[in-house]
Amino acid sequence: DSGVTQTPKHLITATGQRVTLRCSPRSGDLSVYWYQQSLDQGLQFLIQYYNGEERAKGNILERFSAQQFPDLHSELNLSSLELGDSALYFCASSSRGGLADTWDTQYFGPGTRLTVL
Amino acid sequence: AQSVTQLDSQVPVFEEAPVELRCNYSSSVSVYLFWYVQYPNQGLQLLLKYLSGSTLVKGINGFEAEFNKSQTSFHLRKPSVHISDTAEYFCAVSDRQGFQKLVFGTGTRLLVSP
Repeated sequence: DSGVTQTPKHLITATGQRVTLRCSPRSGDLSVYWYQQSLDQGLQFLIQYYNGEERAKGNILERFSAQQFPDLHSELNLSSLELGDSALYFCASSSRGGLADTWDTQYFGPGTRLTVL
Repeated sequence: AQSVTQLDSQVPVFEEAPVELRCNYSSSVSVYLFWYVQYPNQGLQLLLKYLSGSTLVKGINGFEAEFNKSQTSFHLRKPSVHISDTAEYFCAVSDRQGFQKLVFGTGTRLLVSP
């Protein structure tokens, strides 16, 4: 158990709908990262938040957005869903915010499996 | 930008045999290197990491990896595998000079049979 929790575990929805994925980082961790794992794209970094602020952005679609709340939990919002958005969405957390001279281990949650029908 | 190549999508091996999972990376800047393991229906777990220092890195569960800068490789090895090592293994890199987003390879499925 990494200490990172994600809800829900599974989500089935229809095209065009909007969903929210939730992540609670390990106690004390300030950074949250979102990754998407799909069959055709593999594991891709989407976005990072550090202490409530967006820190880095990857290949995140404009239909997707995220935020980190004062209690440090994070939500990933996916809208206007398409079949190709079906994937496993992972959240990871680390203690610091990605300073260039130090590395923080990223601890991954169990993921949310999204199926778009 | 960085990229990671894991040439083998699947590696079958018998129990107690040695195994090597290959990883090559491409980057215009210095990188940190990682191996993560994903067991069925679970999240990713860090096996080992190379940040600096000795190029031979030891990780959990008896795995080790060697960083070879001239060959831009970071191959993962284990001298004797167990059935329980059956999983997907991901090599990843992170830019030393930027933010700590991980760039992953496509993964190698290790299948250990009796």
